[in-house]
Amino acid sequence: AQKVTQAQTEISVVEKEDVTLDCVYETRDTTYYLFWYKQPPSGELVFLIRRNSFDEQNEISGRYSWNFQKSTSSFNFTITASQVVDSAVYFCALSNTSGSRLTFGEGTQLTVNP
Amino acid sequence: DAGVTQSPTHLIKTRGQHVTLRCSPISGHKSVSWYQQVLGQGPQFIFQYYEKEERGRGNFPDRFSARQFPNYSSELNVNALLLGDSALYLCASSLRGRLGYEQYFGPGTRLTVT
Repeated sequence: AQKVTQAQTEISVVEKEDVTLDCVYETRDTTYYLFWYKQPPSGELVFLIRRNSFDEQNEISGRYSWNFQKSTSSFNFTITASQVVDSAVYFCALSNTSGSRLTFGEGTQLTVNP
Repeated sequence: DAGVTQSPTHLIKTRGQHVTLRCSPISGHKSVSWYQQVLGQGPQFIFQYYEKEERGRGNFPDRFSARQFPNYSSELNVNALLLGDSALYLCASSLRGRLGYEQYFGPGTRLTVT
């Protein structure tokens, strides 16, 4: 069985602070994919990144960066110099190669205050 | 290009009724998945269809059914509605049905059962 745990239910920061969202996953598969999605108040899930289990290279995209550590089964997401528009619920998700079924964590509500 | 579209946006039904939700994938995408998101939780996988065939089913009762049409659009049907079926129903499309292709989500249909 697959499982994704996002231990931080809510995080509140002040604008321009850096913030890291934690994600820990469980799977018996050797090949799998990890994702991050953003869900603003409008409700639509916005795709942010996909990472496969063979690629542990960290990735940076503008103010966003992701740290994938297979040894600790973690795929953490950092927002640098946070902005009010970053306020949303962020979901970490896991899938295996037998299908594109996504297993989501419970999400982290990020609030960035001006 | 248009993203994933879903209809209707909102729906109010009474217990015991039946509901049909519709989804049109991104042009060129052949896989459609359905998720249920109860307030405050992460999305839960219901079905995946690829090339008009069911490729995956989540842990939902037989009251839930779906199908995919030749143009790759999809319908989710729920019979004998219960109060607990109140949720945001999300449709996602992807290019393929496997190999961890990223899924792009529609805005969802918010179903309220009274």
